[in-house]
Amino acid sequence: KQEVTQIPAALSVPEGENLVLNCSFTDSAIYNLQWFRQDPGKGLTSLLLIQSSQREQTSGRLNASLDKSSGRSTLYIAASQPGDSATYLCAVSDMTSYGKLTFGQGTILTVHP
Amino acid sequence: DAGVIQSPRHEVTEMGQEVTLRCKPISGHNSLFWYRQTMMRGLELLIYFNNNVPIDDSGMPEDRFSAKMPNASFSTLKIQPSEPRDSAVYFCASSLQSEFYGYTFGSGTRLTVV
Repeated sequence: KQEVTQIPAALSVPEGENLVLNCSFTDSAIYNLQWFRQDPGKGLTSLLLIQSSQREQTSGRLNASLDKSSGRSTLYIAASQPGDSATYLCAVSDMTSYGKLTFGQGTILTVHP
Repeated sequence: DAGVIQSPRHEVTEMGQEVTLRCKPISGHNSLFWYRQTMMRGLELLIYFNNNVPIDDSGMPEDRFSAKMPNASFSTLKIQPSEPRDSAVYFCASSLQSEFYGYTFGSGTRLTVV
């Protein structure tokens, strides 16, 4: 059974800092890994999708890496801003379960001015 | 594409009533998922369909919950009878089963059972 763990559970940083969110998963037979953002009371917004054959993806100030063999992914946020405050969720899509998506518990990020 | 469309956005109902949540996936997607999110338990997968066929419903809490996907463009999640502990946000997501495509989530239905 796939398990996804995110560390840290919560993170508070001053504006302008670069930060790293971590995600680990137990079964490397995945289609892809996806990072989502969720604002309070809102739905999930997809940030980055990394295919199983890829090592990283970039979008603006966001960079996500994937090391499938070790079951790890990181989300790097450069020059953080208060608007980045949200919960960040990592999810993997299982090859062995019709692409079933398994989520981590999320990292609550607060960027203070 | 309008994305994954869920209705209603909010639902308030009395305990014991039947509740039906609706989802229209993105056209062409062949996988559909129903999730429930609560503060205590986070995001829980309830059931998922592949090509309209239910693949795994082990996440469905109990017999009061049922889900159908009569065609590729529509799915329902029904709770009968509803209970206060069913209060949560219910999300629907769809995808094309492939490493090249991620999942798109609907905006969710916030259910409150009083």
